[in-house]
Amino acid sequence: DVKVTQSSRYLVKRTGEKVFLECVQDMDHENMFWYRQDPGLGLRLIYFSYDVKMKEKGDIPEGYSVSREKKERFSLILESASTNQTSMYLCASSQPGTTVLKQYFGPGTRLTVT
Amino acid sequence: QKEVEQNSGPLSVPEGAIASLNCTYSDRGSQSFFWYRQYSGKSPELIMFIYSNGDKEDGRFTAQLNKASQYVSLLIRDSQPSDSATYLCAVRSAGGTSYGKLTFGQGTILTVHP
Repeated sequence: DVKVTQSSRYLVKRTGEKVFLECVQDMDHENMFWYRQDPGLGLRLIYFSYDVKMKEKGDIPEGYSVSREKKERFSLILESASTNQTSMYLCASSQPGTTVLKQYFGPGTRLTVT
Repeated sequence: QKEVEQNSGPLSVPEGAIASLNCTYSDRGSQSFFWYRQYSGKSPELIMFIYSNGDKEDGRFTAQLNKASQYVSLLIRDSQPSDSATYLCAVRSAGGTSYGKLTFGQGTILTVHP
């Protein structure tokens, strides 16, 4: 069964802290994505990666960075957390070359920055 | 104007009725269109996708695409309380470097009441 896991379901951090959100997929997918989801705004793409060590900015990359050292793992980094980064963070993966390009989502991490 | 816009909700329908969810998009070169369902506290899951103009049916769900008018809709027949969820419209743009990148609408909350 397809699986995308995220390191934490809930996380509380202080302003200015460095925050790491981890995502792991077991489907050998090449594409991985980080979104944030806020009420009334839907899912907004932060960064995506189409291969190991390759990354592309999404629609809202400011204040975030990513790392993909291994195919199965995609990390989102908040260099200096701020209260406006309080949100639900969703990781997803998909396999290129397939007709549907279906994205499989992880359970999400609800991050609160105080 | 948002790239992908969904009809404002929340939408409330009685059990057994038809629920109609609409989505418009701005990129005329968009190729693929997806509907995701997201239950409260859960991650999105793909329920329908459509590429060609016209209708595509899957059980009680029908996706409709009109590229000339740049809209896509989802009809749910014989709505059940278990259909109560947020429905997200997603669009994949044209371009060889999109890597399966999707742009999501803000979501429409559907409530089916007994």
